[in-house]
Amino acid sequence: TQLLEQSPQFLSIQEGENLTVYCNSSSVFSSLQWYRQEPGEGPVLLVTVVTGGEVKKLKRLTFQFGDARKDSSLHITAAQPGDTGLYLCAGAPSGGSYIPTFGRGTSLIVHP
Amino acid sequence: GAGVSQSPSNKVTEKGKDVELRCDPISGHTALYWYRQSLGQGLEFLIYFQGNSAPDKSGLPSDRFSAERTGGSVSTLTIQRTQQEDSAVYLCASSLGQAINYGYTFGSGTRLTVV
Repeated sequence: TQLLEQSPQFLSIQEGENLTVYCNSSSVFSSLQWYRQEPGEGPVLLVTVVTGGEVKKLKRLTFQFGDARKDSSLHITAAQPGDTGLYLCAGAPSGGSYIPTFGRGTSLIVHP
Repeated sequence: GAGVSQSPSNKVTEKGKDVELRCDPISGHTALYWYRQSLGQGLEFLIYFQGNSAPDKSGLPSDRFSAERTGGSVSTLTIQRTQQEDSAVYLCASSLGQAINYGYTFGSGTRLTVV
């Protein structure tokens, strides 16, 4: 059983479309992080969300942490081919190990 | 260097041979993590170092796997008597501290293929 469930697993869209990917858990997290990984590279940290209900924006990317700190979403506006990659969420449950666990990721392909 | 460096980038080995994977973290990063990434399986935690000690080895899949870190810097992950199921990308990450909020900087990984 995955502690962090990500959906959808795969997403293939055209340039200019909007999309949302989700990261859900039954556990409460002190914080969650989102990473993007391109083929042949390691994951790169995009953002850390800490406060329940928090919304952070990074250019066309909007990240939200659920009020109960059990879930998070990533919304991309007007996707571009450069957004193509594997999006991973990661977190360590509150009161548990400080070692973060990763979701299996959402593989996004944006076609020109 | 400016980032986390891993070597080799690719390794093909015969079943039963031993392999060593190296990670050179960012200077000053006290925390170092090894993960394994298999297709469709996400990142699987292997071991964590704080300085030279490994407070958490819970993710090592068998006693064929071991790791060490010397001088609070370079780490080596050793897999003895490799099996085909060991084929994966092995990722190393370093961080300023153990709290997740520090964020992790990953290397590009070592792609291990056991034939």
